Amino acid sequence: SQTIHQWPATLVQPVGSPLSLECTVEGTSNPNLYWYRQAAGRGLQLLFYSVGIGQISSEVPQNLSASRPQDRQFILSSKKLLLSDSGFYLCAWSAGLAGRDEQYFGPGTRLTVT
Amino acid sequence: AQKVTQAQTEISVVEKEDVTLDCVYETRDTTYYLFWYKQPPSGELVFLIRRNSFDEQNEISGRYSWNFQKSTSSFNFTITASQVVDSAVYFCALFMNRDDKIIFGKGTRLHILP
Repeated sequence: SQTIHQWPATLVQPVGSPLSLECTVEGTSNPNLYWYRQAAGRGLQLLFYSVGIGQISSEVPQNLSASRPQDRQFILSSKKLLLSDSGFYLCAWSAGLAGRDEQYFGPGTRLTVT
Repeated sequence: AQKVTQAQTEISVVEKEDVTLDCVYETRDTTYYLFWYKQPPSGELVFLIRRNSFDEQNEISGRYSWNFQKSTSSFNFTITASQVVDSAVYFCALFMNRDDKIIFGKGTRLHILP
């Protein structure tokens, strides 16, 4: 069966510090991968998605970036965090064509920027 | 404009009551997909259902049922005989074929009171 992991589970970082969140998927090959952010009291905002190694599509221009160095690894990064980057970050994967198929979500990372 | 509206921000019902969560969408696409996801307190989103725009049949799965009506652009979700474990935030989402992107509603927080 497929499993999706995210770490860390929680993170408190000062403004201006770098960020690296990691997501890995097990039990499937060539998944579509997604990063979402959920701000308090708001819905999910798609940040990035990837249909293959090195292929990243950005939905929202901001100081975050994503990379996919391996087939089942998706990394969300920032060089300098802003207060507005606080939120709950969710990684997800889907098997079929990007977006059309159901997505399976990881447990999330709660990021607080102080 | 393409969007998903979940007008009910928060609903509270007593256990065993039926409850309907509304979802109204807006799109110019003729081919699109609708989804419902559940986010329990643990934070991880769980896929519930996917419907494509050409399939207007209603769906029933145990205590859950979905009513898709293209005429009113709605995809409502009903929980029959609610249980405390149904307490969660529920998200409706729309994927548009032409734009190749998914949009989530802001969610409805459902409280089932014992």
